[in-house]
Amino acid sequence: NAGVTQTPKFQVLKTGQSMTLQCAQDMNHEYMSWYRQDPGMGLRLIHYSVGAGITDQGEVPNGYNVSRSTTEDFPLRLLSAAPSQTSVYFCASRYTEGNTIYFGEGSWLTVV
Amino acid sequence: AQSVTQLDSHVSVSEGTPVLLRCNYSSSYSPSLFWYVQHPNKGLQLLLKYTSAATLVKGINGFEAEFKKSETSFHLTKPSAHMSDAAEYFCVVRGSNTGKLIFGQGTTLQVKP
Repeated sequence: NAGVTQTPKFQVLKTGQSMTLQCAQDMNHEYMSWYRQDPGMGLRLIHYSVGAGITDQGEVPNGYNVSRSTTEDFPLRLLSAAPSQTSVYFCASRYTEGNTIYFGEGSWLTVV
Repeated sequence: AQSVTQLDSHVSVSEGTPVLLRCNYSSSYSPSLFWYVQHPNKGLQLLLKYTSAATLVKGINGFEAEFKKSETSFHLTKPSAHMSDAAEYFCVVRGSNTGKLIFGQGTTLQVKP
């Protein structure tokens, strides 16, 4: 049981480049979400999904796209990377009615 | 709407002394509350959670937290700090209808020898 798997763990991008952060879970969780972590600000919700085919915006969605074609996968796309997107990104999942949230190990992204 | 405030951005204790990390929350509904720990360059690990059962919640590594509705608080405590407790701690409230997690700003715990 792998839990929540994020890739890549580290990435350096140039301004304007695009990339996708991958997130997969093998627990058949309906709810998946992406957060970014910045110093002194805790974790802020970027996008979330309550099930395959359904996504919605969180607190800081600008500059990011998501899709949920399967229950297992919830990729986060940076369309045109900006230095302000330098951050640590966490994917999380849980059952819709569940109270235990599972986090991935994080992806450290630097935009230069 | 829900919100959470961690009252200290940085707490420093000596090894073997008690730990108190303070968290206040605001919620229109009966909240679910969590404490997570994050060691440097690592992911988040669940310490404990409150989900409307017993108000005193025991977690891993000797941590516990008490839900006090009258004070809207969910402070994290440990009787005796260990060097390995040095980390960032997050208090989290879960929105009841949306299920969204709202994170506090985090408290850095420093443990001195």
